Amino acid sequence: ETGVTQTPRHLVMGMTNKKSLKCEQHLGHNAMYWYKQSAKKPLELMFVYNFKEQTENNSVPSRFSPECPNSSHLFLHLHTLQPEDSALYLCASSQAVSYNEQFFGPGTRLTVL
Amino acid sequence: ELKVEQNPLFLSMQEGKNYTIYCNYSTTSDRLYWYRQDPGKSLESLFVLLSNGAVKQEGRLMASLDTKARLSTLHITAAVHDLSATYFCAVDIRVDYKLSFGAGTTVTVRA
Repeated sequence: ETGVTQTPRHLVMGMTNKKSLKCEQHLGHNAMYWYKQSAKKPLELMFVYNFKEQTENNSVPSRFSPECPNSSHLFLHLHTLQPEDSALYLCASSQAVSYNEQFFGPGTRLTVL
Repeated sequence: ELKVEQNPLFLSMQEGKNYTIYCNYSTTSDRLYWYRQDPGKSLESLFVLLSNGAVKQEGRLMASLDTKARLSTLHITAAVHDLSATYFCAVDIRVDYKLSFGAGTTVTVRA
């Protein structure tokens, strides 16, 4: 595997479900990011992790819970989501937060019913 | 708060002609990135511009950065169909670990 991978690529869930999105980077980077991309809205930064430590929580509702067990893996745990949370969730990584060329994964297309 | 504005938001190009996408931003920055996104796909890094006057070229695309004017341009030469995509600029002001993205310019190239 190369670059940034995300699983699953597509996810349909009900509002009472609990699911997790997984991201893995194979670039030796130290910073990882979660973004939300909704139709007709700019890309929204959700969370930033630098060397496994969360450095940014961009006013994200608590129904989204990130986890970064090491510099290569990032999870986004989802519970009791709303239909408006349906979007493309993108993971990205960069060498460090101070050098911000970010490399993006393919995304998870999430649909909340 | 940093604001990043792209224009136009939609661009219909005729094959073979030249076009420019503009990216204006509101706060001093000397780092700007251009990305491409195909429908349903992720963002692909196109250019990294790291200083005033930086110019990068790849095939039919050329990007430049004027930090004094707070403006970057993405110039497309002799448009071809496979350039149809959405193009994003992203600005890094290096104080808060964030990239601020523009809204994107959706490009359609017609014959």
